[in-house]
Amino acid sequence: SSELTQDPAVSVALGQTVRITCQGDSLRSHYANWYQQKPGQAPIVVIYGGNRRPSGIPDRFSGSSSGTTSSLTITGAQAEDEADYYCHSRDNSGNQLVFGGGTTLTV
Amino acid sequence: QVQLQESGPGLVKPSQTLSLTCDVSGDSISSYSYYWSWIRQHPGKGLEWIGYIFYNGHSYHNPSLKSRAILSVDTSKNQFSLKLSSVTAADTAVYYCARVETNISGAFDIWGQGTMVTVSS
Repeated sequence: SSELTQDPAVSVALGQTVRITCQGDSLRSHYANWYQQKPGQAPIVVIYGGNRRPSGIPDRFSGSSSGTTSSLTITGAQAEDEADYYCHSRDNSGNQLVFGGGTTLTV
Repeated sequence: QVQLQESGPGLVKPSQTLSLTCDVSGDSISSYSYYWSWIRQHPGKGLEWIGYIFYNGHSYHNPSLKSRAILSVDTSKNQFSLKLSSVTAADTAVYYCARVETNISGAFDIWGQGTMVTVSS
């Protein structure tokens, strides 16, 4: 299997732009998906397939990738974006799934 | 809309087997488009993938669980299950079931609300 590495915590001023990164060898070959989790709630997907946004997710959320690093960018962060964010992808074999350790975003 | 609901005991004794079921509504578990997965989250910690299963019973598991996890699917009841054997306090967690896309993204697109399982005598 392979690991996905995230910064444990990131902060951003209200209305500013923040980038949350996820690093791992398997990201060269597989898309990252990003999940938002608020306290006491199940995660929800905010970005899938690297840069696609599910219906209902604000367009201030975007995804990108370069080499072994995938990123989630929030452009114009809002107070309600304060949450834990997890990246997820497949390992190098493509069969196992793996989560990053999560990033706590403070707005 | 598609909904997943976990059920099972909230308290399990050490060394026993944890058994959970996920009921799927609004979609057929026999869909070619999805796998069905279990994820857990230890208190205050991150997400850990346990395994996933296809409607035909083909499954993959997190090797860190050392074969303690067994996934099964019951297409007649539109549900899938997790059995985790020889549990210890380290298995205390919130357990989620989720639907996984089989396409190139492989995203967990629908999650259950989660169920807390405590391992204690």
